Amino acid sequence: DTGVSQNPRHKITKRGQNVTFRCDPISEHNRLYWYRQTLGQGPEFLTYFQNEAQLEKSRLLSDRFSAERPKGSFSTLEIQRTEQGDSAMYLCASSLGYQPQHFGDGTRLSIL
Amino acid sequence: AQSVSQHNHHVILSEAASLELGCNYSYGGTVNLFWYVQYPGQHLQLLLKYFSGDPLVKGIKGFEAEFIKSKFSFNLRKPSVQWSDTAEYFCAVKAPDRDDKIIFGKGTRLHILP
Repeated sequence: DTGVSQNPRHKITKRGQNVTFRCDPISEHNRLYWYRQTLGQGPEFLTYFQNEAQLEKSRLLSDRFSAERPKGSFSTLEIQRTEQGDSAMYLCASSLGYQPQHFGDGTRLSIL
Repeated sequence: AQSVSQHNHHVILSEAASLELGCNYSYGGTVNLFWYVQYPGQHLQLLLKYFSGDPLVKGIKGFEAEFIKSKFSFNLRKPSVQWSDTAEYFCAVKAPDRDDKIIFGKGTRLHILP
């Protein structure tokens, strides 16, 4: 069990730029989740996949956000035209079916 | 929709003190309940979970939690804390009959004085 891996660990970008994060889940896990965490808050659900199918998207996920999991393995989360309010820690988690989710270290996004 | 309320945002205790962190959730149906812990500089880790059965759940590192359905509560306890328990603790709920997302509380930051 190598754990959930997220890259990069920290991303600094200017407002208006596009950013993409990557998540590699635990290899046998078929479910993959994205969360966002801001200071003083718990993680907030964004979206999740079962294999390559995106099953649910939160209202937090505006049309500037898109997530993919093309082959049912790794996933990417892209934010277009970043805004100040997008600054947060983006967490990825994976699970095998309905078993508890395992979290990665997160990608911290800072918008200048 | 489900929600989770954690009673304390910041708790400071001395080593060997007893700990109880409050958690209440709002959802009338079947729930799965979790406590996650985040040690400084580390990722979220599962401390314990309740799916069904015995409402008193034992987790890692001497932690336990009790599910009281009538009170919609899932409080976390430890009889004697250690300095290494300094971390942020998150209570979370999932409604498996509705969907697969986990709703987290805002977290309780626990600081143990040596």
